[in-house]
Amino acid sequence: GENVEQHPSTLSVQEGDSAVIKCTYSDSASNYFPWYKQELGKGPQLIIDIRSNVGEKKDQRIAVTLNKTAKHFSLHITETQPEDSAVYFCAAGAGGYQKVTFGTGTKLQVIP
Amino acid sequence: AAGVIQSPRHLIKEKRETATLKCYPIPRHDTVYWYQQGPGQDPQFLISFYEKMQSDKGSIPDRFSAQQFSDYHSELNMSSLELGDSALYFCASTTRPWADRTDTQYFGPGTRLTVL
Repeated sequence: GENVEQHPSTLSVQEGDSAVIKCTYSDSASNYFPWYKQELGKGPQLIIDIRSNVGEKKDQRIAVTLNKTAKHFSLHITETQPEDSAVYFCAAGAGGYQKVTFGTGTKLQVIP
Repeated sequence: AAGVIQSPRHLIKEKRETATLKCYPIPRHDTVYWYQQGPGQDPQFLISFYEKMQSDKGSIPDRFSAQQFSDYHSELNMSSLELGDSALYFCASTTRPWADRTDTQYFGPGTRLTVL
């Protein structure tokens, strides 16, 4: 089955700086890569996703890159704000109605 | 916009008791997924349903069962509860492909199950 590794497990940045979270996956059949933000006591909230036919996708301060050859994808958050503080999960799946496999999570702390 | 609804939000049970968790997907979503998230862990896939049929099965214990009903809501039944079953249980749903060609999973707020 799919195995998703995520680094770092914790990340502290100053407000206004950028944050980068990296993930690798094992199953070459995976072609759907969502990123979720989870705040304490809440469900994961989709913030951005990318599919295998796209190398990069951007939505305001958030961008995701995908390197299918190397089987890794990354989340970039620019101009971080205190409200960006949360746990971020990457995930990978085969698309369609297939389940996604989550990474182990990154706890991001943005210091004001 | 309507979101995934889960009930109850919190549930406290004793060991060996049973519990039923309910999930109401976003309207027009026909696929439901259940995930279990232990403290400090990532969500682990349990089971999914598409058009009321089980579509995939993950690390779901034999003590657990689930089903999807004609109105697409789903219930996760948990019997002979153990201390290790204490976790957050999330339900997610997906849109119909012919209405919106996306397979994005939208998560509910979760049910926090505590087994004493």
